[in-house]
Amino acid sequence: DTAVSQTPKYLVTQMGNDKSIKCEQNLGHDTMYWYKQDSKKFLKIMFSYNNKELIINETVPNRFSPKSPDKAHLNLHINSLELGDSAVYFCASSQADSPLHFGNGTRLTVT
Amino acid sequence: AQSVAQPEDQVNVAEGNPLTVKCTYSVSGNPYLFWYVQYPNRGLQFLLKYITGDNLVKGSYGFEAEFNKSQTSFHLKKPSALVSDSALYFCAVRPRMDSSYKLIFGSGTRLLVRP
Repeated sequence: DTAVSQTPKYLVTQMGNDKSIKCEQNLGHDTMYWYKQDSKKFLKIMFSYNNKELIINETVPNRFSPKSPDKAHLNLHINSLELGDSAVYFCASSQADSPLHFGNGTRLTVT
Repeated sequence: AQSVAQPEDQVNVAEGNPLTVKCTYSVSGNPYLFWYVQYPNRGLQFLLKYITGDNLVKGSYGFEAEFNKSQTSFHLKKPSALVSDSALYFCAVRPRMDSSYKLIFGSGTRLLVRP
């Protein structure tokens, strides 16, 4: 199936740990994104890459580091996790002005 | 600051009745406008977009949206609601001159269609 897939779907971890979320798209899109959806369902962009180049880096703590090994993959690594990092993280991709295609999200719970 | 407002946290409507989910925006220029829907435990799905042209845009699942430039609004509508339309709906804008393709989302409106 053509899609944006992200793993894991659920991630439960303790404060202070380091974790990664992976994202892959097989739509051939040039641009990939990470969005954070908080407990009130508010969506905010974190990062965007275009052809492996970082083009959006919103006000996100340095503990969050995206990595794009190729244009089909955009991973998110989080260091020293905090309680406030608990949220659902969505990966998305698009091509030029086309609508965004979203993955199904990774629910991160920090205890 | 650029922003998108969805003034209603929740909209309740009976099945078969028309529905409207409101969206207004504060973005300079003539932005691109979008509606997305989110079902439980799923990512957002694209419904429709306005780029230019006719103010009434038709999209997926029988939804349409009306662009009103003077009121800077882009309300989502459907003539006859279905129970399966119950979901979370997001309005989003992209500044036309923004080459980063960044979308600014509203806070979302939960639509509840009762049988």
